[in-house]
Amino acid sequence: EPEVTQTPSHQVTQMGQEVILRCVPISNHLYFYWYRQILGQKVEFLVSFYNNEISEKSEIFDDQFSVERPDGSNFTLKIRSTKLEDSAMYFCASSAGGGGTDTQYFGPGTRLTVL
Amino acid sequence: AQSVTQLDSQVPVFEEAPVELRCNYSSSVSVYLFWYVQYPNQGLQLLLKYLSGSTLVKGINGFEAEFNKSQTSFHLRKPSVHISDTAEYFCAVRASGGYNKLIFGAGTRLAVHP
Repeated sequence: EPEVTQTPSHQVTQMGQEVILRCVPISNHLYFYWYRQILGQKVEFLVSFYNNEISEKSEIFDDQFSVERPDGSNFTLKIRSTKLEDSAMYFCASSAGGGGTDTQYFGPGTRLTVL
Repeated sequence: AQSVTQLDSQVPVFEEAPVELRCNYSSSVSVYLFWYVQYPNQGLQLLLKYLSGSTLVKGINGFEAEFNKSQTSFHLRKPSVHISDTAEYFCAVRASGGYNKLIFGAGTRLAVHP
């Protein structure tokens, strides 16, 4: 069964450094998402992406964050200058369609630790 | 705006016992409802979803959930759990009006003991 993959599984970085989290969505999917879960808190929506542009973003997704689909298979989340509070599990998801009935398929997550 | 409340952060249960994981939501618009499960070191996997029609929804691994509009609830049930059901369970909602983000609850950790 096709699945969403994410690399790395765990990323440790120093505060102020840039990180790029990588995701390979399911191959025929057109809608891509990033969510995050700070330890002990809810899974929170960050951004959705379709047709090479952001379709929706949360208030968390400020100028420090960016997303990109650099080629036909990868979907990346970049954090320009990491802060301690960016430490979280980051989940990538994809769906075939963008409607409310379309299932979002999630990857295993990347645990980001900012020191 | 939508919000989801999962009333139990942890639910311990013995193998072969029934279990109910509670979920309540609030929304000013119609929503679709989902339950996801996360096994250790894995991603979120869809268990079941309610879109419309019958309020009793059956999902994978013997789970089912009932949508109750008057109580704004979507509780997840299984009549007899297995050790392998030990996982984190997330309830989520999604507005039906063209918005595609999921709003999650805080999760319930189901621990099945022998």
